Amino acid sequence: EVQLVESGGGLVQPGGSLRLSCAASRFTFNSYAMSWVRQAPGKGLEWVSTISAGGGGTYYADSVKGRFTISRDISKNTLYLQMNSLRAEDTAVYYCAKGLAAPGQVFDYWGQGTLVTVSS
Amino acid sequence: EIVMTQSPATLSVSPGERATLSCRASQSVSSNLAWYQQKPGQAPRLLIYGASTRATGIPARFSGSGSGTEFTLTISSLQSEDFAVYYCQQYNYWPLTFGGGTKVEIK
Repeated sequence: EVQLVESGGGLVQPGGSLRLSCAASRFTFNSYAMSWVRQAPGKGLEWVSTISAGGGGTYYADSVKGRFTISRDISKNTLYLQMNSLRAEDTAVYYCAKGLAAPGQVFDYWGQGTLVTVSS
Repeated sequence: EIVMTQSPATLSVSPGERATLSCRASQSVSSNLAWYQQKPGQAPRLLIYGASTRATGIPARFSGSGSGTEFTLTISSLQSEDFAVYYCQQYNYWPLTFGGGTKVEIK
């Protein structure tokens, strides 16, 4: 079965940076769009970013545009989220999610999530 | 941005009963609507996409309907494992947006 394992979360001060990783296995990584979705404590789901299967297309929520960068390394079967200029409102569990073959914006497999806490 | 509104916020249902959850889009999203289930401490699970297509392995008691701006998720006979929070998501436009969720609790 598909496996997605996130890492890289932790406590960071406002204005700081963090890079999340998502190790993917048991599927052809470069054939599917991949996304990050976050969930603030006790709140609902918020889409953050999507990268196309080939990596040529990237999409961002307005709340993170200009601060976050999504990327993928096909040689390592790994998805990344570089997060800069972090704010308290970025505190959340960040999930890595795999897209369906079509459409890629529907998420059929999710990782267990990694917690990011932005606080001084 | 498309705003997705789910109702009710909480639904109290007895096991074996039918549950009907609603999701409304602020403008038409065609049939580009998905439903997810999330249990406490777990990642979401895809139930329905294309408004009415069940994802792989999803029991037939889950069904979705609707198009345009009005959508419904129906659970025909609630089992104990179905008590959870349900989210709808539109994928017709960027940015992708989720509804606020409906919590289905035991009556």
